[in-house]
Amino acid sequence: SAVISQKPSRDICQRGTSLTIQCQVDSQVTMMFWYRQQPGQSLTLIATANQGSEATYESGFVIDKFPISRPNLTFSTLTVSNMSPEDSSIYLCSVEDRNQETQYFGPGTRLLVL
Amino acid sequence: AQKVTQAQTEISVVEKEDVTLDCVYETRDTTYYLFWYKQPPSGELVFLIRRNSFDEQNEISGRYSWNFQKSTSSFNFTITASQVVDSAVYFCALSGLYSSASKIIFGSGTRLSIRP
Repeated sequence: SAVISQKPSRDICQRGTSLTIQCQVDSQVTMMFWYRQQPGQSLTLIATANQGSEATYESGFVIDKFPISRPNLTFSTLTVSNMSPEDSSIYLCSVEDRNQETQYFGPGTRLLVL
Repeated sequence: AQKVTQAQTEISVVEKEDVTLDCVYETRDTTYYLFWYKQPPSGELVFLIRRNSFDEQNEISGRYSWNFQKSTSSFNFTITASQVVDSAVYFCALSGLYSSASKIIFGSGTRLSIRP
């Protein structure tokens, strides 16, 4: 399975600021995904990131709030912009493995917005 | 619309007991994948199993077993002889079969606590 790392692992941020989360994979993957897990809740897909094209956002998520970059086949970033306490969540990236058997998830970034 | 329901919010059992986590799904797709993931207190999401809708054969992996019943749209997960290390939140999930950008729909999760 792919090995996925995320930076930072956790952060505490002030309201109104922005945070960029990095996701690095140890192999080239076509599809990368960003999920949000609010406290005590399940995971919700934010967007799907293809290399070389604009990310596809799910209903309720917009590019201005969650801009995503996908500069190459092993890396992606998610920015949480103009943060509010409601953005406090775990943000996870995931990748579809080479044989499309399943999606594997990174360790997550725990974000607390004060 | 696709939906995954895990009616059991929390389960607590004593170590060595068997425990079954229920999962019921809804989809209009005729072909799909079902998953179980484990999220221990550390927070990472651990892949446990993927099942495609063509294969209703039950699966066993060590102390874990999965019962897929297409007739009742259920994909239940049983842990035999539970251990404290099994304590985690378990998510059942569903996705389409053929799209390389398949969106995974997660259930709300079942928090399992194994008491020593």
